[in-house]
Amino acid sequence: QQQVKQSPQSLIVQKGGISIINCAYENTAFDYFPWYQQFPGKGPALLIAIRPDVSEKKEGRFTISFNKSAKQFSLHIMDSQPGDSATYFCAASSGSGYSTLTFGKGTMLLVSP
Amino acid sequence: ETGVTQSPTHLIKTRGQQVTLRCSSQSGHNTVSWYQQALGQGPQFIFQYYREEENGRGNFPPRFSGLQFPNYSSELNVNALELDDSALYLCASSSGTSGRRNTGELFFGEGSRLTVL
Repeated sequence: QQQVKQSPQSLIVQKGGISIINCAYENTAFDYFPWYQQFPGKGPALLIAIRPDVSEKKEGRFTISFNKSAKQFSLHIMDSQPGDSATYFCAASSGSGYSTLTFGKGTMLLVSP
Repeated sequence: ETGVTQSPTHLIKTRGQQVTLRCSSQSGHNTVSWYQQALGQGPQFIFQYYREEENGRGNFPPRFSGLQFPNYSSELNVNALELDDSALYLCASSSGTSGRRNTGELFFGEGSRLTVL
């Protein structure tokens, strides 16, 4: 059972454009939603994260939008740059005694020059 | 401050063999988690260690086992290797306290890529 569904699987955006990646979750106990960025040959690196008490969080060119009632959240990358080309994973966890992340399957983003 | 380091970076084994992967957590972190990332997939949680005890386990068989040492470094052991065990094994560290809310901010190493032939 896939608890976090991510789309699209791949995305091509022109330099300067907006990249949008969407995720949907099923488990209503989830209360922490991070996005990770992974370059080839590297481990995932935390990009930005949100908790469900806010509907939007912005850090530089990266914005998370969160819709609790729809159980959906998305990552927007404004002014996309070739250096943003990577695989992006959404994830979710619940505030239980230990922290484990349930990841989506990833979106491979290519920003063309 | 050093980040999460893993060894070896690459290794090749044959079916039925055993493998040990190692991880040094980021300075100040007392919790280590292990994830398996198959090609083209997101990481899947294997288990987590807090203060040398297993503190959570995903849907992996008992032939996947681990250890955490007093310095918070960790090992992942896989016995009776199968072809499907071929994957990138990621170690992640965090600062957590058992029984309390954990931020979920995991810091990953670069992984150990295991190929089983």
